[in-house]
Amino acid sequence: GQSLEQPSEVTAVEGAIVQINCTYQTSGFYGLSWYQQHDGGAPTFLSYNALDGLEETGRFSSFLSRSDSYGYLLLQELQMKDSASYFCAVKDSNYQLIWGAGTKLIIKP
Amino acid sequence: KAGVTQTPRYLIKTRGQQVTLSCSPISGHRSVSWYQQTPGQGLQFLFEYFSETQRNKGNFPGRFSGRQFSNSRSEMNVSTLELGDSALYLCASSLMSVVSYNSPLHFGNGTRLTVT
Repeated sequence: GQSLEQPSEVTAVEGAIVQINCTYQTSGFYGLSWYQQHDGGAPTFLSYNALDGLEETGRFSSFLSRSDSYGYLLLQELQMKDSASYFCAVKDSNYQLIWGAGTKLIIKP
Repeated sequence: KAGVTQTPRYLIKTRGQQVTLSCSPISGHRSVSWYQQTPGQGLQFLFEYFSETQRNKGNFPGRFSGRQFSNSRSEMNVSTLELGDSALYLCASSLMSVVSYNSPLHFGNGTRLTVT
């Protein structure tokens, strides 16, 4: 079956750096996306990687290694508002987005 | 620009009934996708509509159906509700079809369906 594995919960301190990993096993690969979802809110798009390497968007960066079927989201200079769930998603050979179960990021002051 | 609007926000139904959920995409977006989200699980893809045509369908039973209108608004229908259908149903719009492009998805706040 297809699966995306990510940690269920990560805890970090305000101002620090945190990395959320995502390992995927899918039939086909057409890109890895990251979304943020606050409690009770809608998922919002953060980043997309189609090729290997690092993509940087402000305090957030996303990395992809297709040979390792692995990617991560890096959040720098953590702020309390970054407390949310983060989902990775891969577009598979059926052109459907397969989603991880989400990582709850808890930030402590 | 107005975001994706889903109605209603909350719905309580009885097992065996049917339900219709509505989604209005961002103006200019022609693709609407529907997802089911349950606690502790990722989003499960239901289907995608683009220009009134179903472009893709997930692995859900035929009780789940949808349609899209000429103004890109979309509806999702679930018939013969089961307890396991209780979930948050999210609608997402994008400029282009997810099948052909990697356009970011813009999600609504969802409809929380409870089946008793």
